[in-house]
Amino acid sequence: GENVEQHPSTLSVQEGDSAVIKCTYSDSASNYFPWYKQELGKRPQLIIDIRSNVGEKKDQRIAVTLNKTAKHFSLHITETQPEDSAVYFCAANEGGSYIPTFGRGTSLIVHP
Amino acid sequence: DAGVIQSPRHEVTEMGQEVTLRCKPISGHDYLFWYRQTMMRGLELLIYFNNNVPIDDSGMPEDRFSAKMPNASFSTLKIQPSEPRDSAVYFCASSLGGGGSSEQYFGPGTRLTVT
Repeated sequence: GENVEQHPSTLSVQEGDSAVIKCTYSDSASNYFPWYKQELGKRPQLIIDIRSNVGEKKDQRIAVTLNKTAKHFSLHITETQPEDSAVYFCAANEGGSYIPTFGRGTSLIVHP
Repeated sequence: DAGVIQSPRHEVTEMGQEVTLRCKPISGHDYLFWYRQTMMRGLELLIYFNNNVPIDDSGMPEDRFSAKMPNASFSTLKIQPSEPRDSAVYFCASSLGGGGSSEQYFGPGTRLTVT
């Protein structure tokens, strides 16, 4: 089955800096890569996703890049704000299924 | 739609007791998932259903755990007997499937504490 590795496990930045979280996956047939944000005490919620037919997708301050050859994808957050502090999970849907395999999560801390 | 609904939001029970967690998915969603979240193990998929049928329960830790989905609008996760190591936040999630979006919609979670 699919295996998703996520790094780093913790990321601490100053407000205004950029943050990058990286994930690798094992199943070359995976074609859907969502990112979820989980604020403290809350549920995970989708913030951005990308399909394998594109290399980059952007939504305001967040962007996701995908390298299918290397089987890795990354979340980029620019101009970080304290409200970006949360745990971020990447995931990959194997073989075009609706079943995601999640990474272990990255705790992002943005210091004001 | 009110989103995915879970109950109870918090459950405190003693070791050995039976615990039942409940979930109502978003109407029209074909997939329902049960996850367990702990600091040590992250977000673990326990079981998922497609059109009310259990498809993969390989993530269920042991026979003490069971899940049912008697109809499209209701699912339960039961732990009998409960143990302290079952303490975690249990999330239910649903997704559309059927050629539509793969986005998972999570419920608010049930925080289970077994003493």
